[in-house]
Amino acid sequence: QKEVEQNSGPLSVPEGAIASLNCTYSDRGSQSFFWYRQYSGKSPELIMFIYSNGDKEDGRFTAQLNKASQYVSLLIRDSQPSDSATYLCAVNAIDRGSTLGRLYFGRGTQLTVWP
Amino acid sequence: KAGVTQTPRYLIKTRGQQVTLSCSPISGHRSVSWYQQTPGQGLQFLFEYFSETQRNKGNFPGRFSGRQFSNSRSEMNVSTLELGDSALYLCASRGTLNYEQYFGPGTRLTVT
Repeated sequence: QKEVEQNSGPLSVPEGAIASLNCTYSDRGSQSFFWYRQYSGKSPELIMFIYSNGDKEDGRFTAQLNKASQYVSLLIRDSQPSDSATYLCAVNAIDRGSTLGRLYFGRGTQLTVWP
Repeated sequence: KAGVTQTPRYLIKTRGQQVTLSCSPISGHRSVSWYQQTPGQGLQFLFEYFSETQRNKGNFPGRFSGRQFSNSRSEMNVSTLELGDSALYLCASRGTLNYEQYFGPGTRLTVT
């Protein structure tokens, strides 16, 4: 069984701070990495994806990938109360016996940004 | 481009009944995955359909089944409902070139 682990949280940061969300994965063959944001009572929303080692920036969000360490992170700069949500890390992997890979999700980290 | 749609959005059933949920993927997406989400277990993978064939399956009992039609729309069926089946059921679609998966709004199922 492929595993995706996220820092357990909950994580609480003040408005304007940097929020750091971490994720490790077990399958060395994984090539695609995603971050989803889920507000309470809503469905997950894809906010970032990264395929290559290094950093990828999109506005206030930066995804960081280190395949050698099997580690992916999401940094949220200038955190806002509207960023308060659960963040899910997802990684692709192929189950034994299957020819089609799928996404494996972590349990999520709940982030609260207080004013 | 329209997003993933799911119907119904809310459903209340009693134990022992069966239920069918529907999902229409983003136009052009041929893969549809289904997930169950509960507060205690997080997001649990049910199954994935691609080109009308089930390609991946999670660890759920046979009471949970699905199918996909030639237009890529998918249905999920749960028979002999149990109280523990109360959850948010999410479907997600993706294209064939990558794993970028987009979720629908979900169906909130309550079993009484």
